[in-house]
Amino acid sequence: AQSVTQLDSHVSVSEGTPVLLRCNYSSSYSPSLFWYVQHPNKGLQLLLKYTSAATLVKGINGFEAEFKKSETSFHLTKPSAHMSDAAEYFCVVSLGGGADGLTFGKGTHLIIQP
Amino acid sequence: EAQVTQNPRYLITVTGKKLTVTCSQNMNHEYMSWYRQDPGLGLRQIYYSMNVEVTDKGDVPEGYKVSRKEKRNFPLILESPSPNQTSLYFCASSFSQTLNLNYGYTFGSGTRLTVV
Repeated sequence: AQSVTQLDSHVSVSEGTPVLLRCNYSSSYSPSLFWYVQHPNKGLQLLLKYTSAATLVKGINGFEAEFKKSETSFHLTKPSAHMSDAAEYFCVVSLGGGADGLTFGKGTHLIIQP
Repeated sequence: EAQVTQNPRYLITVTGKKLTVTCSQNMNHEYMSWYRQDPGLGLRQIYYSMNVEVTDKGDVPEGYKVSRKEKRNFPLILESPSPNQTSLYFCASSFSQTLNLNYGYTFGSGTRLTVV
């Protein structure tokens, strides 16, 4: 079985400051890990994905995430927040295969203060 | 443009009136899936399909049906909707679930369903 825990339901940062959204996972096997973003009244958009290649993954809009197997973490970071980053972010783990294919975290709401 | 198209985007209906939410993808993906999103619960899988004529239950299948008669379409059917099915629904597709480790998922824009 697999599970995902997003450690913060809400994160608030000032524009121009760094962003850190935390995600821990549990998996019996080597997982694939994804971060998705959902802007208000929009669908889900893939930010980045880890699939057992480089442990530091770069995504769109300046986001990146580092896979740390020893800590079972896949935290999402961005050096400088922009107002347009305000959205809901989901950490997702995938083993492949049926109903366990995708397991979503409960989401982190990112608030950007002007 | 490669995409997953859901219709309708918004739907208000009454308890017990059968409805269908359509999902179509133009990427020749084998794997398709339906999720519902509820506040504080994240996304939960309703049903999924590994390929044509192959469907199976996800985490919360009660009250829903699906069919996969063609590769591109994966409709979600609510035979007798109830208020607890009020939610935001997403359809997603992927090239192949068994080989998905190098493929992401493409999501539709969502269908906001209200059952009164």
